[in-house]
Amino acid sequence: GIQVEQSPPDLILQEGANSTLRCNFSDSVNNLQWFHQNPWGQLINLFYIPSGTKQNGRLSATTVATERYSLLYISSSQTTDSGVYFCAVRLNAGNMLTFGGGTRLMVKP
Amino acid sequence: NAGVTQTPKFQVLKTGQSMTLQCAQDMNHEYMSWYRQDPGMGLRLIHYSVGAGITDQGEVPNGYNVSRSTTEDFPLRLLSAAPSQTSVYFCASRMNRGSEAFFGQGTRLTVV
Repeated sequence: GIQVEQSPPDLILQEGANSTLRCNFSDSVNNLQWFHQNPWGQLINLFYIPSGTKQNGRLSATTVATERYSLLYISSSQTTDSGVYFCAVRLNAGNMLTFGGGTRLMVKP
Repeated sequence: NAGVTQTPKFQVLKTGQSMTLQCAQDMNHEYMSWYRQDPGMGLRLIHYSVGAGITDQGEVPNGYNVSRSTTEDFPLRLLSAAPSQTSVYFCASRMNRGSEAFFGQGTRLTVV
C-alpha cells in the first residue's frame, strides 16, 4: 500500500519561531489533508489541499502532487499550536485516507 | 449542524464483552469510515462504507463488524473485546470520494 512519511517526527520551538513540516507519499494521490490533533485528542481540519498552495492566517500549505510531497508552514508559532500534525492522503484509485505517523510539535513560551 | 457525533466518549470493557460504538452524521455524506489510533501513532482504517448498504474492510478489520442501514449512521461492533483493542476510535465522513473528510471527537476504549 501507499507509504506516507512525515518529518520531523518531533519538533520543539520557542514561541514566535517559524517551522516547516513535510509529508512525503509514495504514490499518486488526488486527496491530501492536513490535521492538527490538539492535546485533548480532537482532530481539527487545517487544509484540504490535493495540489497548489493555500493560506489560513499563520498557517499555509503547499502540495506538489507530481513530486509527491506536501509542506505545512507555521509562522509566528504560539503555544496553542502544540499538538500532533498529521497529513493524510487518498490514492487515485482508493476510497479512504491513509495517515502518516505525525509530527509532534511543542511550542514553549 | 452537529457534524460527526460519536458516542460514548469513554468506555471500559472487560475481555470478552461486546459493545457498539455509535457514529452519526447530519451532513448527508455518502462516505463514512472508522479508524483506530494507538499511542504515538497515526490513524489506521478499520472499515468503511461508500453508501447505505455497502461496507468494506480497511487495513485492520479483524475483531470488528460494521453495517450501514441508513446514510446517517455507521456503528462499529466489537463482538468479543480483547486488550489489543484498547485504543482511541475515530469516525469520519465525507460527501463523496473526492471531498474533504471530517472527524468525530473520538471514543477512548479500554479493555481490561
